Amino acid sequence: GAVVSQHPSWVICKSGTSVKIECRSLDFQATTMFWYRQFPKQSLMLMATSNEGSKATYEQGVEKDKFLINHASLTLSTLTVTSAHPEDSSFYICSARDLIPRVNNQPQHFGDGTRLSIL
Amino acid sequence: DAKTTQPTSMDCAEGRAANLPCNHSTISGNEYVYWYRQIHSQGPQYIIHGLKNNETNEMASLIITEDRKSSTLILPHATLRDTAVYYCIVRVATSFGNEKLTFGTGTRLTIIP
Repeated sequence: GAVVSQHPSWVICKSGTSVKIECRSLDFQATTMFWYRQFPKQSLMLMATSNEGSKATYEQGVEKDKFLINHASLTLSTLTVTSAHPEDSSFYICSARDLIPRVNNQPQHFGDGTRLSIL
Repeated sequence: DAKTTQPTSMDCAEGRAANLPCNHSTISGNEYVYWYRQIHSQGPQYIIHGLKNNETNEMASLIITEDRKSSTLILPHATLRDTAVYYCIVRVATSFGNEKLTFGTGTRLTIIP
C-alpha cells in the first residue's frame, strides 16, 4: 500500500534554531503534499499545501517566512521551521496522494509525524 | 466542505462490534465520506470512504443512510489496537484533485478488555 515517510520522527533543539522535516512518498509520486500541525489534545490543522515545482499555498494565519516549504521532486517535500521558538513545539504531519490514482477518489496517506520540541 | 458531528468519546468491549456514528446533514451530492483514525502519537490512518453505497474492506464497513445525512463506521470485532481517535470527513473528491482534508475533533474510541 501507499507509504509516506517522515524524518526525523522526533527532534529537540534550542530556541532560535532552524529545523528541517522531510516527507517522502516511498512507492508513489505526488504532485501535492500537505503539511499539518497538531497541538496536544487538539485536532490536526492544515498549515499549507505543497506543490511540486511551484510555491506552496499557506492557510490563513500561517507565516510563510516562518514555515518554509520546498517540494523539489515528486517524492519529497520539506518543511523548515525557521528560528524556532518554544511556541512552535508541536506534532507536524505530512500527507500525500498518488499522482496516478489506481482507484477512483484515492485517499491521502499520512506520515507518522515529527514531534518537535523547542527548548 | 460539509461539517460533520461525531460523539466525543465511546467505549466498546473487546471482541464486540464498534459502531461509530457521524452526522453530515449538509453534505452535497458530490461529496464523499472518508474515515481516518489516529492512534496516539502517530499520523492518521486511512480506513474507508464512500459516496452513497455501503462499503466494506478488510478494516471496516461503512454504512451511509439513503438520504446521505449520516453514516456509521463499523469495526466488526474490535481489538485493543483499535483504540484511537476516529475522524469522519466529508470532501469533494476528484481523480486529480488537490483536495484538502478538514479534521474535526473526532470520536475517541476506547476498547475495553
